[in-house]
Amino acid sequence: GNSVTQMEGPVTLSEEAFLTINCTYTATGYPSLFWYVQYPGEGLQLLLKATKADDKGSNKGFEATYRKETTSFHLEKGSVQVSDSAVYFCALSPAYLYSTLTFGKGTMLLVSP
Amino acid sequence: DTAVSQTPKYLVTQMGNDKSIKCEQNLGHDTMYWYKQDSKKFLKIMFSYNNKELIINETVPNRFSPKSPDKAHLNLHINSLELGDSAVYFCASSNEGDTIYFGEGSWLTVV
Repeated sequence: GNSVTQMEGPVTLSEEAFLTINCTYTATGYPSLFWYVQYPGEGLQLLLKATKADDKGSNKGFEATYRKETTSFHLEKGSVQVSDSAVYFCALSPAYLYSTLTFGKGTMLLVSP
Repeated sequence: DTAVSQTPKYLVTQMGNDKSIKCEQNLGHDTMYWYKQDSKKFLKIMFSYNNKELIINETVPNRFSPKSPDKAHLNLHINSLELGDSAVYFCASSNEGDTIYFGEGSWLTVV
């Protein structure tokens, strides 16, 4: 079946540090890949997505590249801010009719001033 | 002008009660979903509806009954609430094969 594996958190960083959150997946075919973010006490927001191999999704300084050869979609940001503190979810959507999102377990990011 | 809105945002209720969570989307999407987020933040699909028809029902107890009066609404009714039903319930919508957009969540606490 489909699955997503994320690095365990929490990830604790100082402001302006470089961020990487690892995400690997298992799926048949060519799924679309997503990063969603959940700020404290809030709902899920789409952060970025990529729909085919070698695509790079980017938003708000975050980037992730769809790597089919390593089945990975790692999230990166060059300089984190305190306001980036949140839980980040990697997810995939298989490329078949009526597919839904399969989520990773989420990685909490804590950024201190 | 919220895209996917769900009510109530917070709900505290006693075991054995019946409660409903309402969801509406104004994005013109043809597919709606309910996801459950447990206390460890794990998210899992519960139901999926396409044009008011049930498409996916993921091993959810039959105490949970979704209802879609039209393609812009998908409500979740829960009978005989149990402590283990305490979670955050997210409504979402999309067009088939496209990005899924989530509501802000409904925090259900069963005491």
